[in-house]
Amino acid sequence: ELKVEQNPLFLSMQEGKNYTIYCNYSTTSDRLYWYRQDPGKSLESLFVLLSNGAVKQEGRLMASLDTKARLSTLHITAAVHDLSATYFCAVDTSRGGATNKLIFGTGTLLAVQP
Amino acid sequence: ETGVTQSPTHLIKTRGQQVTLRCSSQSGHNTVSWYQQALGQGPQFIFQYYREEENGRGNFPPRFSGLQFPNYSSELNVNALELDDSALYLCASSLERGQGEKLFFGSGTQLSVL
Repeated sequence: ELKVEQNPLFLSMQEGKNYTIYCNYSTTSDRLYWYRQDPGKSLESLFVLLSNGAVKQEGRLMASLDTKARLSTLHITAAVHDLSATYFCAVDTSRGGATNKLIFGTGTLLAVQP
Repeated sequence: ETGVTQSPTHLIKTRGQQVTLRCSSQSGHNTVSWYQQALGQGPQFIFQYYREEENGRGNFPPRFSGLQFPNYSSELNVNALELDDSALYLCASSLERGQGEKLFFGSGTQLSVL
């Protein structure tokens, strides 16, 4: 059974600091997603990583994928309070067929303190 | 705004009742997936519909069923509701694999079972 683990589960950061969230998964996959979720809200797509070595950046967030290590990272640079949210990684389990069937990680609750 | 709409936004039911949740996918998307997100957890894949046919199912009992209509909108039906069915139910639409890699999530339906 595919497992997707994130760590840490909870991260309290000071504004201006850098940190990394890790996402490990237990089987091969060629697609990995990162989502953000604010309390009581739906999922906002951040990144889709499609190949080994893929790196994507948007503002203060940068995501990377190492398919050989089955590891993805979400790096936060110079955190600001607006980044406070829960972050999920999700692995695509589809094999051929039509579309994406995602297995989500446990989530990382990020709290950025002033 | 993802273009995926779900209704209702909130629902309260009692144990043993039946419920129908609805989802309108983004224009042009022929695939709809349903996820259940319990409080404090990551979303779990329930099932997916592609061109009106079920195209994969997660580890959910048969009392969870669905439909997709010719306009690609979808319903999730849950019979014999249990207390553990209380969760946020998310619908996601996408193009078929190879046509686009993103899933677009709706705002969800918060179901409370008393």
